[in-house]
Amino acid sequence: GQQVMQIPQYQHVQEGEDFTTYCNSSTTLSNIQWYKQRPGGHPVFLIQLVKSGEVKKQKRLTFQFGEAKKNSSLHITATQTTDVGTYFCNGGSNYKLTFGKGTLLTVNP
Amino acid sequence: DVKVTQSSRYLVKRTGEKVFLECVQDMDHENMFWYRQDPGLGLRLIYFSYDVKMKEKGDIPEGYSVSREKKERFSLILESASTNQTSMYLCASSFRGVGANVLTFGAGSRLTVL
Repeated sequence: GQQVMQIPQYQHVQEGEDFTTYCNSSTTLSNIQWYKQRPGGHPVFLIQLVKSGEVKKQKRLTFQFGEAKKNSSLHITATQTTDVGTYFCNGGSNYKLTFGKGTLLTVNP
Repeated sequence: DVKVTQSSRYLVKRTGEKVFLECVQDMDHENMFWYRQDPGLGLRLIYFSYDVKMKEKGDIPEGYSVSREKKERFSLILESASTNQTSMYLCASSFRGVGANVLTFGAGSRLTVL
């Protein structure tokens, strides 16, 4: 079945450093979504990417969808302590969404 | 503010008990989902429903059943709870069609089975 691999599993950065997490699918995705889960919280939707090669920005966050629609990335510029949490991607079709296992970001102030 | 509400944040049950986890959404979403979240395993889909009285198995349906009698409510049932069902359970919902993959999650129900 479809697999969505997310790397790295963990990332620890100093405040102010950049951070990137990658999401790779074994199959072509119709779209991909990114979520953030704060410690002790629940996943919260960040963004959806639909088009091949699409790039979207939300303040310090940049999201990209690969040309082949099989991979995606989330880049955070100049991390802050408020960025701490686990970042998940999910993709799929016909309701059977597959989540990546997430990247846990910790930020040292 | 749109909401997905899960009835219990924390539950402690004994092995063999029947457990009901309730989820209600107020967004008029057609689709509803139940996931479980475990350390190192991420989010795994148990069941989903795309309409009232409709249900589809996800990746790990064994030991679970669901009920959707009303559009806004989706219940997860553990017929006979076992210790390996100790987990965080997350309910989510979404619109049909273009927005189907954009999920709104509830706060979660942490179940401990002794």
